[in-house]
Amino acid sequence: KQEVTQIPAALSVPEGENLVLNCSFTDSAIYNLQWFRQDPGKGLTSLLLIQSSQREQTSGRLNASLDKSSGRSTLYIAASQPGDSATYLCAVRSARRQLTFGSGTQLTVLP
Amino acid sequence: DGGITQSPKYLFRKEGQNVTLSCEQNLNHDAMYWYRQDPGQGLRLIYYSQIVNDFQKGDIAEGYSVSREKKESFPLTVTSAQKNPTAFYLCASSITDANTGELFFGEGSRLTVL
Repeated sequence: KQEVTQIPAALSVPEGENLVLNCSFTDSAIYNLQWFRQDPGKGLTSLLLIQSSQREQTSGRLNASLDKSSGRSTLYIAASQPGDSATYLCAVRSARRQLTFGSGTQLTVLP
Repeated sequence: DGGITQSPKYLFRKEGQNVTLSCEQNLNHDAMYWYRQDPGQGLRLIYYSQIVNDFQKGDIAEGYSVSREKKESFPLTVTSAQKNPTAFYLCASSITDANTGELFFGEGSRLTVL
């Protein structure tokens, strides 16, 4: 059974800092991995989708990497801003064709 | 604008009552999903549908029911058999249920049982 872990559960950084969020998964037989952002009381917003054949995807200040063999993905946020404060979730689509979600990392960017 | 609309945003229910949460999408997506989110936990799949008039149970289907009579609509009924229904419910869709499909979410419905 696929398990997805996100560490740390919470992270606080000063504005302007570059930061990395981690996502690990136990079964490397995945089809894709998706990163989401969730603001309090809101739904999930898709940030980046990485197919299993890809190593990374970029969108603006965000860069996500995928290493299937080690069961890891990272989300890199450059020049963080207070507006980046949210919970970031990763989700893995594996052999059962359904997504398994991590519990998320709650990010606070301090002005 | 294309998107997924969930209603109501907030819902209160007395114990023993059934409630239905609405999910409508105008993205022309074939696949639709219902997830439940509890504090400190990842999302858990309740039901999903790959095509009209067809749906499958997810990991926590007990106490829930769904229908898929139209491509655009995938309502979720929380029945009185659901032992702990207070949660945040999220509806999602993808263009197909193919392995490479990107998932898009609605804004969620928060259900509180009094």
